[in-house]
Amino acid sequence: QVQLVQSGAEVKKPGASVKVSCKASGYTFTSYGISWVRQAPGQGLEWMGWISAYNGNTNYAQKLQGRVTMTTDTSTSTAYMELRSLRSDDTAVYYCARVSCSSTSCYQDYWGQGTLVTVSS
Amino acid sequence: SYVLTQPPSVSVAPGKTARITCGGNNIGSKSVHWYQQKPGQAPVLVIYYDSDRPSGIPERFSGSNSGNTATLTISRVEAGDEADYYCQVWDSSSDHQAYVFGTGTKVTVL
Repeated sequence: QVQLVQSGAEVKKPGASVKVSCKASGYTFTSYGISWVRQAPGQGLEWMGWISAYNGNTNYAQKLQGRVTMTTDTSTSTAYMELRSLRSDDTAVYYCARVSCSSTSCYQDYWGQGTLVTVSS
Repeated sequence: SYVLTQPPSVSVAPGKTARITCGGNNIGSKSVHWYQQKPGQAPVLVIYYDSDRPSGIPERFSGSNSGNTATLTISRVEAGDEADYYCQVWDSSSDHQAYVFGTGTKVTVL
């Protein structure tokens, strides 16, 4: 069965960086993309970007460009999301999700369990 | 950027029908996906491509999309349907393509 298992909770100081991992299993990793979505406490879902596990192409949300980098390691079927220059409003649960596409659109069909990142001095 | 508007809350009695709307400019021309999120859990896909259901999602969940409004309908509502629901589209209309989530709707089962 498809599973996405994320790394554990992190506590970071403002200005630091965090790197969250997402290990996939149960499907051919390079046949799908991975999206990253975050959710601040009590707030809605915010799409951060996605990466093609096939060729590494990325598409980042405009507000995060310059601070976020998404990568994959096909040898271990693992995706990574690194966020730099952390601020208090980056405190959120970060989710990875598998991206399934047709010719017209894509959707997230399987999700990781989430990783809480807390930014605090 | 593209904006998706949902009502903050919908209340429904058990056994009745809940309808959750998702408004956006000419959203009928886009494919809409819906996610259910229960407290403390990751989102779950319940509808994709406007009206398709993933395996394991009850037939009670259905979707439609036309004009400026997409709708998620939950028939014969059960206590276990209480959750937040989010719509999503892929916005390719601007110079920066991006996924957009709706504002979210909390469904309360009375």
